[in-house]
Amino acid sequence: RKEVEQDPGPFNVPEGATVAFNCTYSNSASQSFFWYRQDCRKEPKLLMSVYSSGNEDGRFTAQLNRASQYISLLIRDSKLSDSATYLCVVNMGGGSQGNLIFGKGTKLSVKP
Amino acid sequence: DADVTQTPRNRITKTGKRIMLECSQTKGHDRMYWYRQDPGLGLRLIYYSFDVKDINKGEISDGYSVSRQAQAKFSLSLESAIPNQTALYFCATSGDRTSGSFNNEQFFGPGTRLTVL
Repeated sequence: RKEVEQDPGPFNVPEGATVAFNCTYSNSASQSFFWYRQDCRKEPKLLMSVYSSGNEDGRFTAQLNRASQYISLLIRDSKLSDSATYLCVVNMGGGSQGNLIFGKGTKLSVKP
Repeated sequence: DADVTQTPRNRITKTGKRIMLECSQTKGHDRMYWYRQDPGLGLRLIYYSFDVKDINKGEISDGYSVSRQAQAKFSLSLESAIPNQTALYFCATSGDRTSGSFNNEQFFGPGTRLTVL
């Protein structure tokens, strides 16, 4: 099983739609979790951290299920500007403190 | 000015040539990283450094070397470039000197697109 797995998509949705991305991770000792956003040919940028209690930032909601080793990102009321690749990222902690493991990304395309 | 800068931004070279990619940061971060990104493979860690003179191998260090002579600079070298090192290379930084957490966000440079013919 790969360390961090995501559905590569692409997800093609109309403006205003709600879209959800899922991610699973293999290391039960993983300690912190993030969603990064990467625009085409640009560097990844942090979208939001994912907390055990779940967290929301405007139209974006992230959730973590440690028992199932599963992370999700929900985007409500999609905008054209949300089109990007979304990377699920896990910090394995332990001896590799600070090292992040990146999923391959899920591509989202929001159409007018 | 950008907090994390990479030079060059684009480079085309030939097999067997030595190449150095430079990364500089003004964020005051201790930790620096080099990744490569290939289509369909995502970001993979090459080397990382938690402080000056500290060097650690990542997932795919073979064929690469790094140097961390100063807190603000982390350079990546390809001693003898080969075509399968054609990729997009990112430098990243995290963690300031006052933070003990390893959960810090990583900040990425704009990337260097390297083509080895």
